[in-house]
Amino acid sequence: AQTVTQSQPEMSVQEAETVTLSCTYDTSESDYYLFWYKQPPSRQMILVIRQEAYKQQNATENRFSVNFQKAAKSFSLKISDSQLGDAAMYFCAYRSARSSGSRLTFGEGTQLTVNP
Amino acid sequence: DSGVTQTPKHLITATGQRVTLRCSPRSGDLSVYWYQQSLDQGLQFLIQYYNGEERAKGNILERFSAQQFPDLHSELNLSSLELGDSALYFCASSVGLADTYEQYFGPGTRLTVT
Repeated sequence: AQTVTQSQPEMSVQEAETVTLSCTYDTSESDYYLFWYKQPPSRQMILVIRQEAYKQQNATENRFSVNFQKAAKSFSLKISDSQLGDAAMYFCAYRSARSSGSRLTFGEGTQLTVNP
Repeated sequence: DSGVTQTPKHLITATGQRVTLRCSPRSGDLSVYWYQQSLDQGLQFLIQYYNGEERAKGNILERFSAQQFPDLHSELNLSSLELGDSALYFCASSVGLADTYEQYFGPGTRLTVT
């Protein structure tokens, strides 16, 4: 079974600064997808960014980028120019590429605080 | 707004009772997933339906059951409720089974068992 670990229960960053959230995972599969989801106080789950394991290039979405290290099974999220609206719980998630394995496996989450 | 709707938003009930949570997927989505978010267990997958048929099961208790109807909406039934069942229950939907399809989450139903 796949597992996802987020070792930082809480992180804080100053507005306009950069912060990196860590995530490691364990799997025996070679083809899979990794995601970062944001959960603001509204509790809505919002997809931030996604990475296909077969792609060597790190995914980027505006101020959000990832550092995907497949051999190390590491998938960190970098938020640049942090904004107050980035304050939320962030979840790292894994999904198998097998059609029968489309469930998401989540990490424990990292609570991000953005200080003005 | 993801296009996935869940009702009710909040539910308060007593131990031993039975409740039904409802989910309407995005228009055109055939796959529905249920997830539970609790303080003890974190976010975990419960069950998946695709076009009316069960496709995958996760850590779903025997007291819980689900189904997907011909109009593709889904219901999660929780019975003999215990205090530990208090959680936020999410429904997510995707177009199909293929791994390229994103899962879109609904706003969740917050269940409080007293």
